[in-house]
Amino acid sequence: GQQLNQSPQSMFIQEGEDVSMNCTSSSIFNTWLWYKQEPGEGPVLLIALYKAGELTSNGRLTAQFGITRKDSFLNISASIPSDVGIYFCAGPGAAGNKLTFGGGTRVLVKP
Amino acid sequence: SAVISQKPSRDICQRGTSLTIQCQVDSQVTMMFWYRQQPGQSLTLIATANQGSEATYESGFVIDKFPISRPNLTFSTLTVSNMSPEDSSIYLCSTGTSRQSSYNEQFFGPGTRLTVL
Repeated sequence: GQQLNQSPQSMFIQEGEDVSMNCTSSSIFNTWLWYKQEPGEGPVLLIALYKAGELTSNGRLTAQFGITRKDSFLNISASIPSDVGIYFCAGPGAAGNKLTFGGGTRVLVKP
Repeated sequence: SAVISQKPSRDICQRGTSLTIQCQVDSQVTMMFWYRQQPGQSLTLIATANQGSEATYESGFVIDKFPISRPNLTFSTLTVSNMSPEDSSIYLCSTGTSRQSSYNEQFFGPGTRLTVL
């Protein structure tokens, strides 16, 4: 089946830093979705990408649909403590209605 | 986006018992999905629940273990049967929006945190 590889698995942020994470696939995706999950909550959709090369922002978040359609990137600018959580990339399979999720990037605050 | 609620929010259950999780959506939707999230892991799709038809299960999940009901367009239940400690997970329901005839964007409930002793 399709697999999404997310990196890094975890990262520490310091307030004010810009951070990046990415997601790669061995097969082409027609949609890329980025979710954030906070403790005790379900994933919340942050950004949806539908076209290769598309660059979309949601506040301090910016995501890009890779031109090869096999990868996507999420950037957080000027990070703040509430950016802590797990960020998941996801994309639909061939049937179009089932999502495959990446392993997640856990964002933590530097002590 | 749809607003999705789940009951219970958490439960601690004994081995061998069953738990039914409810998922309520604030609008009518065609497709609902059930996911499992094991501790520290990502989300894995259990099954797709369509109103008026049998649920479609993913590889590794069977109806006897995870029976699903979908009595109408706003409600679904997932039962975790004959539970063992390995079933301790977060169970999430979701629903999609239709864009270009595919349910690419999915919105999730808050999850049910299940611990099996």
